[in-house]
Amino acid sequence: DSGVTQTPKHLITATGQRVTLRCSPRSGDLSVYWYQQSLDQGLQFLIQYYNGEERAKGNILERFSAQQFPDLHSELNLSSLELGDSALYFCASSSSGWNSYNEQFFGPGTRLTVL
Amino acid sequence: AQKVTQAQTEISVVEKEDVTLDCVYETRDTTYYLFWYKQPPSGELVFLIRRNSFDEQNEISGRYSWNFQKSTSSFNFTITASQVVDSAVYFCALSEAGNQFYFGTGTSLTVIP
Repeated sequence: DSGVTQTPKHLITATGQRVTLRCSPRSGDLSVYWYQQSLDQGLQFLIQYYNGEERAKGNILERFSAQQFPDLHSELNLSSLELGDSALYFCASSSSGWNSYNEQFFGPGTRLTVL
Repeated sequence: AQKVTQAQTEISVVEKEDVTLDCVYETRDTTYYLFWYKQPPSGELVFLIRRNSFDEQNEISGRYSWNFQKSTSSFNFTITASQVVDSAVYFCALSEAGNQFYFGTGTSLTVIP
């Protein structure tokens, strides 16, 4: 158990809908990362937050957004969903400060299926 | 261009054989970190090792060993006397000063009993 929790474990929704994925980092970790893992794209970094602030952005679509709250939990919002958004979404946390040099600990993931 | 290349998509070995998973990275930074993660069939990514760019010493942890060579930009991972429980997808990753994490496409290892 990495100490990172993600809810829900599974999500099935329809095209055009909006969903919110939730992540609670390990106790004491200030950095939260979001990743998308699909069969054709592999593991893609989406976005990182550090202590409530957006720190780095990867291949995140404009339809997707995230935030980190004062209690350090984070949410990833996916809107106008398309079939291609079906994937496993991971959250990870790290004790890294401003630089991402420390190992990341991953949650169990949320499997999103868009029908 | 890929920042992290894992050329081996799938590898199968028979139990007790040694296997090496290759990882080649690309960076212009002088300070960077390299990682290996394991993703077993259960799906969760498990951290295995972190190595910084200034430490080229090889590391051994039980049946696992890592060979870091800056001259060839490689950070290879060897499993000695493989076991069925080693079956998983293994990812190599790079972290640069720019703060992004780059994962390779992974190598799927199957250990046949």
